[in-house]
Amino acid sequence: NAGVTQTPKFQVLKTGQSMTLQCAQDMNHEYMSWYRQDPGMGLRLIHYSVGAGITDQGEVPNGYNVSRSTTEDFPLRLLSAAPSQTSVYFCASSYWPRGSDEQYFGPGTRLTVT
Amino acid sequence: SQQGEEDPQALSIQEGENATMNCSYKTSINNLQWYRQNSGRGLVHLILIRSNEREKHSGRLRVTLDTSKKSSSLLITASRAADTASYFCATDGAADNYGQNFVFGPGTRLSVLP
Repeated sequence: NAGVTQTPKFQVLKTGQSMTLQCAQDMNHEYMSWYRQDPGMGLRLIHYSVGAGITDQGEVPNGYNVSRSTTEDFPLRLLSAAPSQTSVYFCASSYWPRGSDEQYFGPGTRLTVT
Repeated sequence: SQQGEEDPQALSIQEGENATMNCSYKTSINNLQWYRQNSGRGLVHLILIRSNEREKHSGRLRVTLDTSKKSSSLLITASRAADTASYFCATDGAADNYGQNFVFGPGTRLSVLP
């Protein structure tokens, strides 16, 4: 199993550009999440999904969109990049809800917005 | 607002010593998890402890949970240089059905010196 994969590993955007961060898992997990990690802080939840076709907002959803058309994929879209979105982004998945099950994390995408 | 807060923020020890990190939280929980993050990598799950459990072991790791004090501790015995990483606790909410209240603390940065 590849586990949770994320692409790209690094990305530089100019303010106002849009892009999609890809996330895929091959463990047949229903629950998937997107987090951002800023220096000195823990992970903050952006959006999450409890199954194909079902998504919901987390703690910091503004400026981001998600969709879940398949169990495997959970892309994160930045609509109009801002310097405040400079961060490291992690995708995670689990079989059961996040609080009650081990989450598997991808390697992260380091995004810089200039 | 963050549910879990780790203490200390940073810890330096010599190889072979024990490392203890603490996590305090504010509201009732179902479960508490500990994760490790090596520099530049995704998080790796260490242990999940349920609210009706007081202690769990996994290899050199020992986790305790005191729900009356709303706190948990992670003990790493006989530390190695490879244990150098950031350690995060994460808690869910007692009324959490889908993991929507699953929150990470800011982490403890552990340095194990050879």
